[in-house]
Amino acid sequence: AIQMTQSPSSLSASVGDRVTITCRASQDIRNDLGWYQQKPGKAPKLLIYAASNLQSGVPSRFSGSGSGTDFSLTIGSLQPEDFATYYCLQDYGYPRTFGPGTKVEIE
Amino acid sequence: EAQLVESGGGLVQPEESLRLSCAASEFTLSSYWMTWVRQAPGKGLEWVANINRDGGVTHYVDSVKGRFIISRDNAKNSLYLEMNSLRAEDTAMYYCARDTTYYGPSNSYYDAFDVWGQGTVVAVSP
Repeated sequence: AIQMTQSPSSLSASVGDRVTITCRASQDIRNDLGWYQQKPGKAPKLLIYAASNLQSGVPSRFSGSGSGTDFSLTIGSLQPEDFATYYCLQDYGYPRTFGPGTKVEIE
Repeated sequence: EAQLVESGGGLVQPEESLRLSCAASEFTLSSYWMTWVRQAPGKGLEWVANINRDGGVTHYVDSVKGRFIISRDNAKNSLYLEMNSLRAEDTAMYYCARDTTYYGPSNSYYDAFDVWGQGTVVAVSP
């Protein structure tokens, strides 16, 4: 199975900060990667698909980049509603695998 | 707006069985692959299984192979997860999700889970 790692596992930031989360795959997954946001007690929400494509309705402060094994999710200017846990997910092979998550907390 | 609603969760003993259902509305279920994802208490997300549009192709994570069966009834707009020989480590919130295919250049395509249900809790305990 393809292993996904994320860094950092958690971070503290302030409203207005620029935040970057990284995700690494254990093998080349082209750009078959998505990013999901999950708030406590809620279902995950799709933010980015195909590494860099913004899902409809998602604010443009979210952006994704990368290909191969290294990927990143950037929040351009952190808003109060962005405090959540973020997961990457590879859809290159089976089983699909999520990263362990990055919790973004208020500083 | 497309919606998914899970049901069927509950408290069971080890080795017992449970069947989860996921009802789809406001979209044509038969046009989409579908997926189950679970989340153990306080843990991250784990992909469990998916199924193609007509139910003829399925994939599972190794930890549930031979115990869980994903199926669908497009006429009833429903997705199912039959869970047998349940273990304590199967305790989790179970989400169903719509697996949408996005098409890119040069015949490329990408899958992503764009619609999620609210989840149903499965607890396995003696």
